[in-house]
Amino acid sequence: AQKITQTQPGMFVQEKEAVTLDCTYDTSDQSYGLFWYKQPSSGEMIFLIYQGSYDEQNATEGRYSLNFQKARKSANLVISASQLGDSAMYFCAMRARPNSGGYQKVTFGTGTKLQVIP
Amino acid sequence: ETGVTQSPTHLIKTRGQQVTLRCSSQSGHNTVSWYQQALGQGPQFIFQYYREEENGRGNFPPRFSGLQFPNYSSELNVNALELDDSALYLCASSPLAGGTYEQYFGPGTRLTVT
Repeated sequence: AQKITQTQPGMFVQEKEAVTLDCTYDTSDQSYGLFWYKQPSSGEMIFLIYQGSYDEQNATEGRYSLNFQKARKSANLVISASQLGDSAMYFCAMRARPNSGGYQKVTFGTGTKLQVIP
Repeated sequence: ETGVTQSPTHLIKTRGQQVTLRCSSQSGHNTVSWYQQALGQGPQFIFQYYREEENGRGNFPPRFSGLQFPNYSSELNVNALELDDSALYLCASSPLAGGTYEQYFGPGTRLTVT
């Protein structure tokens, strides 16, 4: 069984500061992928960053970086230089290895609401 | 490149009715997944379609059914609506089943069951 845990229901960060959103996961698979999505109040899920379980380097995409600690089963999202537009819900998600039909189950956490303060 | 679109945006139905939600996948994507997101929760996987066949299903009853068409667009049908079916329904497409590509989500359909 797969599980994603996000223990921070809400976070505040000052504009231009960095913030870390926590995510831990549980899986018995050796091959999996970890994702972070941003969901503004409009509802659309916006892909931010992806980390494969065999990737040795931490993923980075612009101001977003993923702090991947495989032994600890954590995949924290770091947002540098926060902007007011970063205020949103953030979801951590995991994709497991495919079944016989090629399907890879995606499991989401419960999310963290980030509010950026001017 | 056209992104994922969903219709309608909002919908109000009465308990016991049936509803059909529609999704057009991103150009070149042949895999579509549907998710239910209750208020304050993360998305819950309903099912996935690849080349017009269901190839994965979450923990949802049979009254949740779907279709995928040759142009890779998709429908989610929910029969005998219950109050707990009120949620945001998200559709996501990806370039191929079982790949490492991320999923691209549509804006969602917000369903209210009264």
